[in-house]
Amino acid sequence: KNEVEQSPQNLTAQEGEFITINCSYSVGISALHWLQQHPGGGIVSLFMLSSGKKKHGRLIATINIQEKHSSLHITASHPRDSAVYICAVGRPYGGSQGNLIFGKGTKLSVKP
Amino acid sequence: DGGITQSPKYLFRKEGQNVTLSCEQNLNHDAMYWYRQDPGQGLRLIYYSQIVNDFQKGDIAEGYSVSREKKESFPLTVTSAQKNPTAFYLCASGQGFQETQYFGPGTRLLVL
Repeated sequence: KNEVEQSPQNLTAQEGEFITINCSYSVGISALHWLQQHPGGGIVSLFMLSSGKKKHGRLIATINIQEKHSSLHITASHPRDSAVYICAVGRPYGGSQGNLIFGKGTKLSVKP
Repeated sequence: DGGITQSPKYLFRKEGQNVTLSCEQNLNHDAMYWYRQDPGQGLRLIYYSQIVNDFQKGDIAEGYSVSREKKESFPLTVTSAQKNPTAFYLCASGQGFQETQYFGPGTRLLVL
């Protein structure tokens, strides 16, 4: 079983819809990261969070440490949001310090 | 502009050949990382370096080598011992443990 699981694997939405991508993990973590990978391959870090909620523009990330679960929400989705969204968790002390365990990603396609 | 660059964008390797992928950053980050991405899989850590002249193996280091002679540079050599080198390679840098990682645009390696 993967240590970081994302759902859904693929998601198609109409422009303007509210989108939720989920991430569950099975290990203790130092922090959780949400990343965005565009079709060209480049990756951008969206959020790093260890508790609560963060918001940036139309993107909202939440984390529940007790339930080992995080969600990424996109409000008023737009075709330019089409990308692969990747969840990654920071390994705890005692592991390969400072390094991330990645989920397989959720491919989002937003239709106009 | 501060950032992280990788070259080349595409690289072709012949059987039995060693090839080197370049990664340079001008963000003054101490930590640098190399990841491999295969279709349908999450990113996997090849090597990382937390300080100049020091580096550690990640999860899939076999068939790869690195050096960290300068803070700005972390080149990755894919040796002939790596039997399945075709993949997308991403370099990243960060301030250190538990910090956000900044990714380069990636190099796609293909075997002829």
